[in-house]
Amino acid sequence: AQSVTQLDSHVSVSEGTPVLLRCNYSSSYSPSLFWYVQHPNKGLQLLLKYTSAATLVKGINGFEAEFKKSETSFHLTKPSAHMSDAAEYFCVVSDWNTGFQKLVFGTGTRLLVSP
Amino acid sequence: SAVISQKPSRDICQRGTSLTIQCQVDSQVTMMFWYRQQPGQSLTLIATANQGSEATYESGFVIDKFPISRPNLTFSTLTVSNMSPEDSSIYLCSALAGGGQETQYFGPGTRLLVL
Repeated sequence: AQSVTQLDSHVSVSEGTPVLLRCNYSSSYSPSLFWYVQHPNKGLQLLLKYTSAATLVKGINGFEAEFKKSETSFHLTKPSAHMSDAAEYFCVVSDWNTGFQKLVFGTGTRLLVSP
Repeated sequence: SAVISQKPSRDICQRGTSLTIQCQVDSQVTMMFWYRQQPGQSLTLIATANQGSEATYESGFVIDKFPISRPNLTFSTLTVSNMSPEDSSIYLCSALAGGGQETQYFGPGTRLLVL
């Protein structure tokens, strides 16, 4: 079965410094991977997705992620954090074993941005 | 992409009662999904709802507790039956959309508090 592990439950950065949110996946075949963001009291918004095209994926709001098969990782990065980036981030893998897409969510990483 | 709305956005209910949550998509989609997000937790898939067939429930979720309807390609409902305080959660619906039908877009969620 597919799974993802988000290595940090909380990440704290200062505004203007780089962001790194770590995610490792487990998959028996070439996976589809996603990062979603959830702002307080808001729904989930898709940041970016990897579906076996370019390994470096660019998303919205300056975020990007690199698919590294050798390391089974899909870490999310941003060069410079903004206060508005403070939110919960979920790494997600797509499982098609059941014949339709089933999303398997990581436990989430809360990003805290200080002035 | 797809724009998804949910009603109600939040509700406070008494134990033993039932609540029906509506999910509307702005375009026709084949697959819709219902998730639960318990306080401070990640998302767990409740069931998959395909138009014209019965919903497929994940382990730990049963139709008597969470009946789902999918009358057409743009709409679905989830009922939380005979509620208890343990049902207090955010309930989110999603739809599989995009050119390759490989991306799930989420509604804003329904915050349910059961007293």
